[in-house]
Amino acid sequence: GQNIDQPTEMTATEGAIVQINCTYQTSGFNGLFWYQQHAGEAPTFLSYNVLDGLEEKGRFSSFLSRSKGYSYLLLKELQMKDSASYLCAVSDMNAGNMLTFGGGTRLMVKP
Amino acid sequence: ETGVTQTPRHLVMGMTNKKSLKCEQHLGHNAMYWYKQSAKKPLELMFVYNFKEQTENNSVPSRFSPECPNSSHLFLHLHTLQPEDSALYLCASSQSPRGHGDTQYFGPGTRLTVL
Repeated sequence: GQNIDQPTEMTATEGAIVQINCTYQTSGFNGLFWYQQHAGEAPTFLSYNVLDGLEEKGRFSSFLSRSKGYSYLLLKELQMKDSASYLCAVSDMNAGNMLTFGGGTRLMVKP
Repeated sequence: ETGVTQTPRHLVMGMTNKKSLKCEQHLGHNAMYWYKQSAKKPLELMFVYNFKEQTENNSVPSRFSPECPNSSHLFLHLHTLQPEDSALYLCASSQSPRGHGDTQYFGPGTRLTVL
C-alpha cells in the first residue's frame, strides 16, 4: 500500500513564498506529480518529478528526494489566484503506474 | 480548456433513479479514468480503461457501472445510489499508464447529490 501525507491547510501572504511538503511511502516509486485544484474545478497538472532535485517552472518549483520519500512544491511571488488546493500524487509501478493522491493542501493567500 | 469534458456538471437524483455520467476527451489519449472526490478525503480511483479494456476496478460497488465504447468516451452508469455516494466525480485521461511519466488530465467533474 501507499501512504501520502501533506498538511491540510496553509496560509500565506500575497507576494511571499510558500513551501508545501509531501511525504510518501511506496514500494515501486515511479514519479511524483503535483496538481492545483481551485474550488469546484478540475485538478490541473503542475509538475512531475522522477529524479532527485529541483524542477523550476516559472513561479512554481518542485523538489524530490527519493531516499527520504519527500517532495515539496515551492510557490514564489504569491498571488491571490494561487489560493487553491494542491494535490500530491505518487505513481507506483507495482500498481500499474496508477496514481495515489494525498488529501491535498488548501492554500489561502491573504492580502 | 476543452481537453476533457464532462456532462452533466451537476446532478441531483433520488436513490431509486438511474442516471449516467458522460466523459469525452479530445486529446488523442488511450487511457481514461473515473475518480471520486468526497469532502475532506483524497481522490479515490474507481475505474481505469486502457485501450478500451478495463484494467482497474478498485472494489467499487456494483451500483456504479462503467462503460468505455471507444478511447474517447467514458460513461459511468448509476443506479440505486446511496446518500454517501454524493461527491464530485472526476474523469481523467492520459496517453497510457504503461508510459513513463504518464500525466493525467482531468475534466471539470460532475457534482452528484443523492437524496
